[in-house]
Amino acid sequence: DARVTQTPRHKVTEMGQEVTMRCQPILGHNTVFWYRQTMMQGLELLAYFRNRAPLDDSGMPKDRFSAEMPDATLATLKIQPSEPRDSAVYFCASGLYPRAQETQYFGPGTRLLVL
Amino acid sequence: GQQVMQIPQYQHVQEGEDFTTYCNSSTTLSNIQWYKQRPGGHPVFLIQLVKSGEVKKQKRLTFQFGEAKKNSSLHITATQTTDVGTYFCAGKYSGAGSYQLTFGKGTKLSVIP
Repeated sequence: DARVTQTPRHKVTEMGQEVTMRCQPILGHNTVFWYRQTMMQGLELLAYFRNRAPLDDSGMPKDRFSAEMPDATLATLKIQPSEPRDSAVYFCASGLYPRAQETQYFGPGTRLLVL
Repeated sequence: GQQVMQIPQYQHVQEGEDFTTYCNSSTTLSNIQWYKQRPGGHPVFLIQLVKSGEVKKQKRLTFQFGEAKKNSSLHITATQTTDVGTYFCAGKYSGAGSYQLTFGKGTKLSVIP
């Protein structure tokens, strides 16, 4: 049963610290999305990649956030320095495009708390 | 930017009652998808609608896509406690980032046994 995996599942850190979140997309999927979910804003798209190339990162605060895909099996989202307002659940999702049904498969998320 | 508005934000129903959530976009959508997120979980794909006026059913769930492809609804008949969760619509716009979805804020459904 293919799944998107994310690590860590939970992270508590202090303001100013660097946070790195990792995602392993479903094998064979060529598109990876990073979302942030908060009560106030809902699900926001931060960035996404196709065939490891960044296609859109306009939803991401550029000064502190960075997203990369070092290889087809790993996507990373980094926050440096972290701030309390970054506290949220960060989801990675993957998909295979183009195809008729454009399903996004979400990982379990990283629950981040910045103190 | 493009937005997908979803109402209501919350819905509390007695078990056995029906439930409907609505999504609306100001511009035409290429397709619309629906996802369900259980408490503490992650969004899980339910269905995709592509054609104008399309109606699809999954057991007690009925999904509709408006004729103008600007609105959609999800209707659950005779809710059960297993239906608890947040239901999101997600719209895809033509010409946008090719695979990008814009999510509504979701409707959180509570079912009282």
